[in-house]
Parts: sequence; C-alpha cells; structure tokens
Amino acid sequence: GENVEQHPSTLSVQEGDSAVIKCTYSDSASNYFPWYKQELGKRPQLIIDIRSNVGEKKDQRIAVTLNKTAKHFSLHITETQPEDSAVYFCAASKENTGRRALTFGSGTRLQVQP
Amino acid sequence: EAQVTQNPRYLITVTGKKLTVTCSQNMNHEYMSWYRQDPGLGLRQIYYSMNVEVTDKGDVPEGYKVSRKEKRNFPLILESPSPNQTSLYFCASHSLSGTGGYTFGSGTRLTVV
Repeated sequence: GENVEQHPSTLSVQEGDSAVIKCTYSDSASNYFPWYKQELGKRPQLIIDIRSNVGEKKDQRIAVTLNKTAKHFSLHITETQPEDSAVYFCAASKENTGRRALTFGSGTRLQVQP
Repeated sequence: EAQVTQNPRYLITVTGKKLTVTCSQNMNHEYMSWYRQDPGLGLRQIYYSMNVEVTDKGDVPEGYKVSRKEKRNFPLILESPSPNQTSLYFCASHSLSGTGGYTFGSGTRLTVV
C-alpha cells in the first residue's frame, strides 16, 4: 500500500519567515495530494490540495509543489503569522479508483514565534 | 451548515465493555471513513464505506466493526475495547463525484482503562 513520509516533525520559525514541509510518497499511482491543518483540540481542515496533472498551486500565502518523478510534494507558507501555528499533515490518495483512502504523513508541528 | 457530527466527544470506558461512536453527515456523501490518530503516527484508516451496505477494512481494522444501513450514518463499534484502542477518532466523509477533500468530524477522544 501507499506510504507517506513527512519531514520535519517539528519546525520553529520567526514571524514573517517562510516555512517548508516536505513529504514523499511510495505509490506512483497516487494522484491527489491534500494538506491539512490541525489546531490544538480541533479537527483536521483542508488548506490546499494538488493533483498530479499540476506541478504547483498557490493560495495567498500558501503554495504546494509536486514532483511526480521524484514522488515528493511540499507545502510552502510565506510571511508566517502566529495563527499559522498548528500541526500540518500531508496525505496522498488515488482519486476515482479503489479504496480512495487518504494515507497521511505523521505530521509537522509548526510553531511561529512572535 | 454542511457538517460531520460525531458523538460523544469524550469517552472513558473499561476494558471489554462494548461501545459505539456515532457519525452522521448531512452532505449526501457516498464515502465515509473512520480514522484513528495517535502521536507520531498521523491518521490511520480503520474502515471505510463507499455507499449503503458497502463497507471494507482500512489499514488498522482489528478490534473494530462498522455498519452503513443509511447513507448519512456510519457508526464505529468496539465490541470488546482494550487499552491499545485508547486514541483520538475521526469520522470523515467525501463525495465520490466531487473534487474536494475529506470533511472531518470534530473527533472522539476515547480512553480505555
């Protein structure tokens, strides 16, 4: 089955700096890659996603890049703010086929220091 | 408001006492799933359902049961809970014809003593 590895497990940045979280996946048939943000005590919430027919996607201060050949994708947050502090999860799945399960990475705890 | 509702939010129980965690969604989603979240392991799929009366095992199904008698409901059943099932549980739903990600419930923190 799919295996998703995520790094780093913790990340501390100063307010205004950029943060980058990286994930690799094992199944070359995976074609959907969402990112979730989970604040303390809350549910995971989708913040951005990318599909395998696109190399990069941006939404305001958040961007995701995908390298299908290398089987890795990354989340980039620019101009970080204290409210960006949370745990971020990457995930991978095969849309429209089979189990469609999201396989999650182990999470990155991002702390933005004011 | 479109949502996935889980109950209860918190539950403390004893080993071997059967329990059910309920999940309901109001978005007419075909796909529903249960995940457990443990520190350092991310979220792992327990069971999923592609439609009414269609359920299948995820990555960590041992010790759990599910049912899908109605489209909106997908309860998680622990017939004989054990301490290693102490975890944070999330129900999620997804439209098979849509392009969005999963919508998660608010979670159930289960402690088995």
